[in-house]
Amino acid sequence: GENVEQHPSTLSVQEGDSAVIKCTYSDSASNYFPWYKQELGKRPQLIIDIRSNVGEKKDQRIAVTLNKTAKHFSLHITETQPEDSAVYFCAAGGVYGNNRLAFGKGNQVVVIP
Amino acid sequence: NAGVMQNPRHLVRRRGQEARLRCSPMKGHSHVYWYRQLPEEGLKFMVYLQKENIIDESGMPKERFSAEFPKEGPSILRIQQVVRGDSAAYFCASSLLGAGGEETQYFGPGTRLLVL
Repeated sequence: GENVEQHPSTLSVQEGDSAVIKCTYSDSASNYFPWYKQELGKRPQLIIDIRSNVGEKKDQRIAVTLNKTAKHFSLHITETQPEDSAVYFCAAGGVYGNNRLAFGKGNQVVVIP
Repeated sequence: NAGVMQNPRHLVRRRGQEARLRCSPMKGHSHVYWYRQLPEEGLKFMVYLQKENIIDESGMPKERFSAEFPKEGPSILRIQQVVRGDSAAYFCASSLLGAGGEETQYFGPGTRLLVL
């Protein structure tokens, strides 16, 4: 089945700097790539997603890029703020029409004021 | 516009007991997914259901675990004869559509199961 890996596991950034999280996936048939943010003890919340027919998507301070040839996708957060501190999960899905998601292990992002 | 609801939020069971976790999808959503999250781990897919049908149960252990999504009422994840290794957070998600994939999944608050 699909295997998703995230790097680095923990990322500390100064407030105002950018944070980048990279994920790789194994199944070339995956065509849907969402990113979720999870605060401690809370539910995962979708922050952005990208589908295989586009290479980049942006929503205010958040952007995602997708390289299908290399099978990797990245989350970019610009002008980081303390409230961006959380665990971020990437996922891959949509294989052969199946909606189940395979998640990475998550990245702890710490924004230092 | 209520989001995905799960109950109970916390559940404590002794080894050998049964655990029943409930999930009410977002209004209008007919596709439900269950995921399990161990401490400091990602979410692992368990089962994908549509009303009255199991679409994909490839991530669910064959023994002791079962899931249903009846025509009326919430989806239920049932764990029989719980063991300590079942302790985890169980998240439910729902989507409006499922066919063809790529449908956004919205997550509930989770049920934290602790087996003593």
